[in-house]
Amino acid sequence: GNSVTQMEGPVTLSEEAFLTINCTYTATGYPSLFWYVQYPGEGLQLLLKATKADDKGSNKGFEATYRKETTSFHLEKGSVQVSDSAVYFCAYANTGGFKTIFGAGTRLFVKA
Amino acid sequence: DTGVSQNPRHKITKRGQNVTFRCDPISEHNRLYWYRQTLGQGPEFLTYFQNEAQLEKSRLLSDRFSAERPKGSFSTLEIQRTEQGDSAMYLCASSLAGRFEAFFGQGTRLTVV
Repeated sequence: GNSVTQMEGPVTLSEEAFLTINCTYTATGYPSLFWYVQYPGEGLQLLLKATKADDKGSNKGFEATYRKETTSFHLEKGSVQVSDSAVYFCAYANTGGFKTIFGAGTRLFVKA
Repeated sequence: DTGVSQNPRHKITKRGQNVTFRCDPISEHNRLYWYRQTLGQGPEFLTYFQNEAQLEKSRLLSDRFSAERPKGSFSTLEIQRTEQGDSAMYLCASSLAGRFEAFFGQGTRLTVV
């Protein structure tokens, strides 16, 4: 069925380390892909998106590339900061669809 | 209007009681969604409105759950005869038709004791 699988957390990194959070999806058609972030005590926020194959979404130093051949949308950041500590959700919405399917989330802790 | 607003932020209720939550979407958004999020999980889709029409309900939404959006603006989610398993964060989101990204409220945390 339709689903999103992302790497289990928590992920603990030191400040300025490189971040990768893996995400793969199972969906029909050509979905749009998203990363949402949930900071402590706050609601979900859209971090970045990509709407077609080979698109790269980017925001706040984070990047993810829509890889249709591997059905993946891995999140990367070259140098994390303490303020990046949050839960990150990979998600997709199908073309013409009306709902977003989320992964279980990956908690990131960044130590100073 | 700076975002999606949900009230109350927290609700503690006794098992068997009815509860109602309200969501005010971003004003120009005609699509409104309800999701449920339990600890350690991502949000799960519950239901969706386009304007005032409820177009889809998840199988997660039992007969005890009902949602309305009477004038195509704010929405309410009611849970009747609450059970402990209903304890979760209830999230509302809105979007423009034809746009996939949804904007989320901060949620209503329900605790059933």
